[in-house]
Amino acid sequence: DGGITQSPKYLFRKEGQNVTLSCEQNLNHDAMYWYRQDPGQGLRLIYYSQIVNDFQKGDIAEGYSVSREKKESFPLTVTSAQKNPTAFYLCASRFLPENTGELFFGEGSRLTVL
Amino acid sequence: RKEVEQDPGPFNVPEGATVAFNCTYSNSASQSFFWYRQDCRKEPKLLMSVYSSGNEDGRFTAQLNRASQYISLLIRDSKLSDSATYLCVVNYGQNFVFGPGTRLSVLP
Repeated sequence: DGGITQSPKYLFRKEGQNVTLSCEQNLNHDAMYWYRQDPGQGLRLIYYSQIVNDFQKGDIAEGYSVSREKKESFPLTVTSAQKNPTAFYLCASRFLPENTGELFFGEGSRLTVL
Repeated sequence: RKEVEQDPGPFNVPEGATVAFNCTYSNSASQSFFWYRQDCRKEPKLLMSVYSSGNEDGRFTAQLNRASQYISLLIRDSKLSDSATYLCVVNYGQNFVFGPGTRLSVLP
């Protein structure tokens, strides 16, 4: 089945550790996005990428890094520089030529820093 | 002022009620508009796109007023399964801006 797969679903991390969240899509979508959601709040954009080997910072990129080595994959690393990393992380993708196309989401990764 | 604002909620309504959600956006260059539904601790899923002429999908009706920069969602004959948070989403270029959401609880 086509879709977006995020892993892990739940992750616990000690302070000071980096952690990488995986996002893979087999929808042949061009653009991929990472959002963060905190309780009771809307989604905030961390990074997005329109093509392989290129990505742009979103509104809250500090303390995060990404790579886009393959069209299908857009992993997010939460570094120790991120001051408050506990959150629900959502990966999304869309087909670029449909300029008004919707975003498709993965099931999310819930990160807790102990 | 936030880019996308929504009714703060929560809305608690009985089954069968009609409920309306409002959303305003600040960027006049916005190109496309959506309502997403998000269940508790799940990912958002597209409920419907919103077109200038207004559009309907079963019990759901969405309206867009570009002049007022206002979007609405009307749910008729509410079902228990409609209980969720409804997110207003505005797109310009590669940027999708999400509102904070309005939580709906449909009560038996």
